[in-house]
Amino acid sequence: DVVMTQSPLSLPVTLGQPASISCRSSQSLVSSDGNTYLNWFQQRPGQSPRRLFYKVSIRDSGVPDRFSGSGSGTDFTLKISRVEAEDVGVYYCMQGTHWPRTFGQGTKVEIK
Amino acid sequence: EVQLLESGGGLAQPGGSLRLSCAASGFTFTSQDMNWVRQGPGKGLEWVSSVDGTGAGTNYADSVMGRFTISRDNSRNTLYLQMSNLRAEDTALYYCTRNAGLDSWGPGTLVTVSS
Repeated sequence: DVVMTQSPLSLPVTLGQPASISCRSSQSLVSSDGNTYLNWFQQRPGQSPRRLFYKVSIRDSGVPDRFSGSGSGTDFTLKISRVEAEDVGVYYCMQGTHWPRTFGQGTKVEIK
Repeated sequence: EVQLLESGGGLAQPGGSLRLSCAASGFTFTSQDMNWVRQGPGKGLEWVSSVDGTGAGTNYADSVMGRFTISRDNSRNTLYLQMSNLRAEDTALYYCTRNAGLDSWGPGTLVTVSS
């Protein structure tokens, strides 16, 4: 199975400051069709997860542009340019290239 | 608007069975793969199973292989998860999610396995 490793697991951030979450996969996520199926999800407290990005960097509708996704191969990053109070929650990466699908452990973003 | 609504959760004894349902609306159900993802209490997300639009193609996590069966009724726009031989570690909130990219999620249905 592809292991997805996120870091850090806990991320205290000052409001208005940037934040960055790393996600590394144990195998390349480049599919035979040339696409890289790496998704990012946000789970706010008490809510269902919400997808933020698919195929590494394609932003879902309604996601603020202070969020960005980047990376390739086995190394991926989710960045928040200026953290706002509504960004508090747990962020997960997930690979959709290989079976079984696998998630990272989650990174908890909180305000300092 | 895409809507997914899970039901069928509850308390089951170890070794028991439950069937989860997910009623889908707001999109062409037959054209979308569907998935179940679960989240144990205080834990992260775990992919459980996926089925293609026809229902013929299925995949399972090793942890549920041979015990859970995913299926769909395209005439009723409904996704199912038949869960048998339940274990304590199956206790979780079970989410129904849409397509290979998991772009939409339901509110979840809680399954508790305990004697």
